[in-house]
Amino acid sequence: DAGVTQSPTHLIKTRGQQVTLRCSPKSGHDTVSWYQQALGQGPQFIFQYYEEEERQRGNFPDRFSGHQFPNYSSELNVNALLLGDSALYLCASSRPGTGIYGYTFGSGTRLTVV
Amino acid sequence: AQRVTQPEKLLSVFKGAPVELKCNYSYSGSPELFWYVQYSRQRLQLLLRHISRESIKGFTADLNKGETSFHLKKPFAQEEDSAMYYCALGGSGGGADGLTFGKGTHLIIQP
Repeated sequence: DAGVTQSPTHLIKTRGQQVTLRCSPKSGHDTVSWYQQALGQGPQFIFQYYEEEERQRGNFPDRFSGHQFPNYSSELNVNALLLGDSALYLCASSRPGTGIYGYTFGSGTRLTVV
Repeated sequence: AQRVTQPEKLLSVFKGAPVELKCNYSYSGSPELFWYVQYSRQRLQLLLRHISRESIKGFTADLNKGETSFHLKKPFAQEEDSAMYYCALGGSGGGADGLTFGKGTHLIIQP
C-alpha cells in the first residue's frame, strides 16, 4: 500500500494563476483533509471532504476550493494565486468514522508562487 | 478560538537526558490532544494521542486541563528521537473540524 499519494511534488506558479493539487487517499480511507503549511509554521486546516462534499472549512478564502471523486481521491484548487499562498500543501486521509483520530498524511506538494 | 502554543522552536539535549516538549492549548470545549512527529525526509505521523493514554517509543503525554497543557516527555533521550514535533488540538466533534497545530519544536539529541 503506497499510503497517501500527492501530486505533483513541486510546483512553481505565477501570481494570479490557478493551480490544482491532487491527492489519492490510503486504501480503505474515505475522508480527505487538506492542510497548508507555511515555512516555519504548523499545518493549518483548509477543509475536509467526505462523501464528495465539503464537510468543514478552516479560515481560508473562497479562492481555495476542492473536490472529491467517487473513488475518494481529491483535488485542491487555488485561484488568483498570491505570493502568500507559497507553502507545503498536505493531504491527510482517514478511515470511515475515525476523522482526526486516524490521519495518514501524504508527503505534500510544495507550491511556490513567484 | 482554538490555539496551540509550543514555546520552544528548538530544543537540544544530550543523549540519555530527559526530554520535555511543552504544549499549551486554548479551547473552550472538551479538547482532543495529539502529538505528531516528522523525522528527517519523512511524512508527518501520529506519535500519540491523549485519549489512548499510551506510551509510544518511550514518550508519554498527560493532559492537564487545569494548566491547559499536554507536555511530551521521555525519561532518556535517544539520538533517533531527533525530529520535528507538533502538538495538535481537535474539538470533541471528532470528525470534521480538523486539527489546530502548534508551530512545532525541533528536537535535537546530541551524542
